Amino acid sequence: AQTVTQSQPEMSVQEAETVTLSCTYDTSESDYYLFWYKQPPSRQMILVIRQEAYKQQNATENRFSVNFQKAAKSFSLKISDSQLGDAAMYFCAYYSGGGADGLTFGKGTHLIIQP
Amino acid sequence: GAGVSQSPSNKVTEKGKDVELRCDPISGHTALYWYRQSLGQGLEFLIYFQGNSAPDKSGLPSDRFSAERTGGSVSTLTIQRTQQEDSAVYLCASSRDRHSYNSPLHFGNGTRLTVT
Repeated sequence: AQTVTQSQPEMSVQEAETVTLSCTYDTSESDYYLFWYKQPPSRQMILVIRQEAYKQQNATENRFSVNFQKAAKSFSLKISDSQLGDAAMYFCAYYSGGGADGLTFGKGTHLIIQP
Repeated sequence: GAGVSQSPSNKVTEKGKDVELRCDPISGHTALYWYRQSLGQGLEFLIYFQGNSAPDKSGLPSDRFSAERTGGSVSTLTIQRTQQEDSAVYLCASSRDRHSYNSPLHFGNGTRLTVT
């Protein structure tokens, strides 16, 4: 079974600084998808960024980028120029596509932005 | 609609009672998913609907849990004889087609269930 591990229960960063959230996963699949979701206090899960495993180029979305290391099964999220609105829980998720229908989520990292 | 709508937003119930949670997906979305988020945990997949049928019920934690979807739209998740360990946030998500890289999930705000 696939597992997703987020080793940082909580991270804190000064506003305007850069922070990296770590995620590792375990799978025997060669083709899969990885996602980072943000969950603010409203509880709604918001897709931040996604990566296809067969693409070597790291995905970027404005201030958000990933460092995807397939051999190491690592998928970290970098947030540049942190803003107060970035404060939330961040979840890493894995999806195999052809197997089980549900996403496998990590336990999340609580990101605090210090003004 | 503009987004996935879930009701109620919060529900407090006594142990042993039945509860129904409702999810109204984005109009036109054929796929619908239920997840459970227990305190301090990530999301746990419960069930997936494609149209009105549920090809994957593997995540339902016990036979006290059931779900249905009618008219390819609204879905209800029913928990019978609730237990304290059922306390969690129940999140619903929908996607245009079966979830894929190009058909991302859109989540609702969830229902926080508290069993006393």
